[in-house]
Amino acid sequence: GAGVSQTPSNKVTEKGKYVELRCDPISGHTALYWYRQSLGQGPEFLIYFQGTGAADDSGLPNDRFFAVRPEGSVSTLKIQRTERGDSAVYLCASSPNRHNYGYTFGSGTRLTVV
Amino acid sequence: AQSVTQLDSQVPVFEEAPVELRCNYSSSVSVYLFWYVQYPNQGLQLLLKYLSGSTLVESINGFEAEFNKSQTSFHLRKPSVHISDTAEYFCAVSERSNTGKLIFGQGTTLQVKP
Repeated sequence: GAGVSQTPSNKVTEKGKYVELRCDPISGHTALYWYRQSLGQGPEFLIYFQGTGAADDSGLPNDRFFAVRPEGSVSTLKIQRTERGDSAVYLCASSPNRHNYGYTFGSGTRLTVV
Repeated sequence: AQSVTQLDSQVPVFEEAPVELRCNYSSSVSVYLFWYVQYPNQGLQLLLKYLSGSTLVESINGFEAEFNKSQTSFHLRKPSVHISDTAEYFCAVSERSNTGKLIFGQGTTLQVKP
């Protein structure tokens, strides 16, 4: 596609529920990144995929967070047993490869846990 | 590990006045440096980046930033701002040899007044 697409744009869920956030990167981009942006803060790195594999997941806050990219294109960020502190905007970005600095961000998914 | 400090959370300025948004970073290894901009209700966009070569880098809309290694700074400047420059600006660093993940500052809100 023309840009990085994230769905849904907004998600409201109840505490304790499971959510999935989807990222559709630019076609042909092998590098994919997830970030989380809390109110008034800069984005924080969560996980990086090179192709299908998670090359760096050092930013995932705990084992309730998990992400997959089974075919090397679309990625899904999964959050189990959501907590109010998980409320944030979740951003996805893609790049032709990890050496192409200055990647393209999607518009994000705003997750609200009530 | 790297860190980024944006010294001003908000910068109000009148239209056509000059502006400087300050950014300092900390890193034990060589880094690449970036400025991203987030316009209201839009996603993050790359404004400019320093990878190597000339320490002064420019964007297409009149912004420039200078990499100062001795002061570990990458301040963003524009000699004359427009109302349309009103946005959130984020400074970011990436370790040269790693996965391409970015460490962001907390952001500076530039408010251009008529």
